Amino acid sequence: GEDVEQSLFLSVREGDSSVINCTYTDSSSTYLYWYKQEPGAGLQLLTYIFSNMDMKQDQRLTVLLNKKDKHLSLRIADTQTGDSAIYFCAETLNQAGTALIFGKGTTLSVSS
Amino acid sequence: DAEITQSPRHKITETGRQVTLACHQTWNHNNMFWYRQDLGHGLRLIHYSYGVQDTNKGEVSDGYSVSRSNTEDLPLTLESAASSQTSVYFCASSDAGTDTQYFGPGTRLTVL
Repeated sequence: GEDVEQSLFLSVREGDSSVINCTYTDSSSTYLYWYKQEPGAGLQLLTYIFSNMDMKQDQRLTVLLNKKDKHLSLRIADTQTGDSAIYFCAETLNQAGTALIFGKGTTLSVSS
Repeated sequence: DAEITQSPRHKITETGRQVTLACHQTWNHNNMFWYRQDLGHGLRLIHYSYGVQDTNKGEVSDGYSVSRSNTEDLPLTLESAASSQTSVYFCASSDAGTDTQYFGPGTRLTVL
């Protein structure tokens, strides 16, 4: 079945770049997503990439997609303490069409 | 502004009781989803609906049911609450033809 894997923790210093990695299994996913969850809150859509793209840049965020290796990454430039959160990678649940399968989430801790 | 709301935000109940968690969205989205979030498991799909009168089982549907009588609401019912159902529950919605989901703020359910 579909599965999404992420490393669980990442710790960086303020001002450094953060790279959060994800691997997925369903190569037919049309879109791949990054969601952010701040403490005590719901998930907020951060960015997404269409499956026929290799890269997408949105201000401090860069998403890289390697379809051959089924690898997705999220790079946050100039990481700030406000970026501390849990980041979830998600792919489409192929059988259902638009339901999503989430990874377990990567907790990003930013120290000043 | 259009939004997605969940109620209650916090609920404590006893084992064996029936519990219903409400989800209401004002975007007129066709697709609605229920997830539970647990430490070590990330988000897991419980049930989803692609329109009125449509419901489908997700990855962890045992012990849960949903009904979709209108576009705006997808209540989640725990028929006989169990301690294993202590979790944070998130509702989400998306428009037809898109995978991008928007999440509610979550309901923290404790079953004693």
